[in-house]
Amino acid sequence: AQKITQTQPGMFVQEKEAVTLDCTYDTSDQSYGLFWYKQPSSGEMIFLIYQGSYDEQNATEGRYSLNFQKARKSANLVISASQLGDSAMYFCAMREGQTGANNLFFGTGTRLTVIP
Amino acid sequence: KAGVTQTPRYLIKTRGQQVTLSCSPISGHRSVSWYQQTPGQGLQFLFEYFSETQRNKGNFPGRFSGRQFSNSRSEMNVSTLELGDSALYLCASSLVPSGTDTQYFGPGTRLTVL
Repeated sequence: AQKITQTQPGMFVQEKEAVTLDCTYDTSDQSYGLFWYKQPSSGEMIFLIYQGSYDEQNATEGRYSLNFQKARKSANLVISASQLGDSAMYFCAMREGQTGANNLFFGTGTRLTVIP
Repeated sequence: KAGVTQTPRYLIKTRGQQVTLSCSPISGHRSVSWYQQTPGQGLQFLFEYFSETQRNKGNFPGRFSGRQFSNSRSEMNVSTLELGDSALYLCASSLVPSGTDTQYFGPGTRLTVL
C-alpha cells in the first residue's frame, strides 16, 4: 500500500487566489512527521512546512498552512494568495518515527500552475 | 549559511561505466540521505548516513553504494550503470536523524546513461 497518496496530478489556480493540495497518508505508527516540499523545474526540493503527529495546532509558515486531520489521515497544503512563482511540483512526504529510520516516503506529487 | 551542495550537477555516462556523486551537507548537519527521482518510480530512498555509518538502506541493488566522511560529506557510487539508472539524484541533510528534524535538499545531480 502507498504510504503517501496525492490524488491531484495537476492543479490550476488564479493568481492571488488560494489553493488546496491534497495528501493522505497511511501509517500504523503513533509518532510520525509530515512534510511538504516544492520542486521547481530546476529540480531542487524546497522545504515548505512540517507537521508532527502530536502537534495539536495546524502548522503555518507564511502563505503556507497545513490542514492536518489526524483521524482522516490527511495533511492538505493550503497556499494563500498564489503567486506566479508558486508554479511548481509539490510533494507531500512522511517520516515514520517508531522505527528510528530517517527516510522520507514521498507521494507522486501535484503540479501546480498559477494563471495570471 | 550555505545550503546543501551537490557535484556534479549534470553527468552523462554510458552503460557499464561507474559514477561517483558528491554531497556536502549544511554546516553542522551530520545526517545525509540520498534519493533517486525518476518519472516512472518517483522519489525513492537510497540510503542514509550518520557519523560515517549507514543507518538505513532502501530497496536498491548492491550496485548502489555510499559512504560518509568524518566531515559529514557523503558520496554515492553506482557501478555497472544501466539505462534505468538515468535519474535525478538528490541528497538531503539534517542535523541528526530525528523524527522531528527537517531534511534539506540539494539541487541534485542529473545523471543520464546512454
